[in-house]
Amino acid sequence: EVQLVESGGGLVQPGGSLRLSCAASGFIFSSYSMTWVRQAPGKGLEWVSYISSSSSTIYYADSVKGRFTISRDNAKNSLYLQMNSLGAEDTAVYFCARERASARFDPWGQGTLVTVSS
Amino acid sequence: EIVLTQSPGTLPLSPGERATLSCRASQSVDSSYLAWYQQKPGQAPRLLIHGTSSRATGIPDRFSGSGSGTDFTLTISRLEPEDFAVYYCQHFGGSPPYSFGQGTKLEIK
Repeated sequence: EVQLVESGGGLVQPGGSLRLSCAASGFIFSSYSMTWVRQAPGKGLEWVSYISSSSSTIYYADSVKGRFTISRDNAKNSLYLQMNSLGAEDTAVYFCARERASARFDPWGQGTLVTVSS
Repeated sequence: EIVLTQSPGTLPLSPGERATLSCRASQSVDSSYLAWYQQKPGQAPRLLIHGTSSRATGIPDRFSGSGSGTDFTLTISRLEPEDFAVYYCQHFGGSPPYSFGQGTKLEIK
């Protein structure tokens, strides 16, 4: 079964840092691009960052560029999101998702909640 | 930047009725990269449709997608109780490379 499990969320103070992880199983992780999408409480989906299978191509949303860093470890079947200089606007559930052909996201992990508050 | 605008924001319907959800792009987009997702409260989004009209694995045939250019539609032919959820369209292309519509909430009338 293809599965993605996020971890690392929690409460962090404004200006702080957090590192999210996404553990993949049930598929050949090194063959797929991956992405992070977030959802603020009661709001819609916002794409955050993309990384290609070999890490050669990386994209960020303007809202996180310069503050967030996406990475992956294919040997560990894991995806990461290092988040620095966090602000209240970063409070959200963060989902990782596998990208398939036609740039569709399938499946998604269950999400991890990041709360930025003093 | 390609902006996806979904309408209506909320759609009240009854089980058994037909639902038509719209996704309009701010400029013409490649229909190969237009997808739809369903999200229920407290759950992750689930892929329904990709490439405008291809159903994802395990998605019932009451769900269908259509459209081209700037106008895309998700149709649910006969609503089942489990279909009441929020639906998002998504596109790949341009800068930023990925965008989502703001969502349509399908609620029980």
